[in-house]
Amino acid sequence: AQSVTQLGSHVSVSEGALVLLRCNYSSSVPPYLFWYVQYPNQGLQLLLKYTSAATLVKGINGFEAEFKKSETSFHLTKPSAHMSDAAEYFCAVRLTGANSKLTFGKGITLSVRP
Amino acid sequence: DGGITQSPKYLFRKEGQNVTLSCEQNLNHDAMYWYRQDPGQGLRLIYYSQIVNDFQKGDIAEGYSVSREKKESFPLTVTSAQKNPTAFYLCASSRTSGGPYNEQFFGPGTRLTVL
Repeated sequence: AQSVTQLGSHVSVSEGALVLLRCNYSSSVPPYLFWYVQYPNQGLQLLLKYTSAATLVKGINGFEAEFKKSETSFHLTKPSAHMSDAAEYFCAVRLTGANSKLTFGKGITLSVRP
Repeated sequence: DGGITQSPKYLFRKEGQNVTLSCEQNLNHDAMYWYRQDPGQGLRLIYYSQIVNDFQKGDIAEGYSVSREKKESFPLTVTSAQKNPTAFYLCASSRTSGGPYNEQFFGPGTRLTVL
């Protein structure tokens, strides 16, 4: 069954430091990949999505993700963390040919220290 | 503005009661979804619907029911059969045309607490 793995449940960085949130998927077929962000007590907001047009995908708020087929990964990065980036981040996948369902990872909470 | 509304934002239920969570969208999306979110468990799919008058069970449908009588609305009923209903519930919608790149749009959520 298709699944996604987000390593670790919590990441803490200093303001201005690099943000790296990991996502690996298990599939022999390149899936359709998404990153979402959730601020406390709110719904999810799309950060970016992989559409096979380019392996490096740029999203909102300065985030980007790189699709690496050989590593079955789609890690999320941001060069310089801001206090406002503190939130929970979810990676999600959809199998090719599947209906519209998404499978979500368990999420990673990002804390940003002043 | 187009979007998804969920009501109420907070809901308290006594054990043994059924409660209904509202979800409305004006994005003209065909597909709608209900997720349950618990700390450290990500989002788990309860039910989804890709067209009016049709819906399918997700991964954790037991103790829940839905209806899809209108394209804009997809209410979720948490029944007394749901043993541990305290959670954050999220509704989402998406297009079904245009292929698998379609993202899901989320509402602000309803936090249900069983007293």
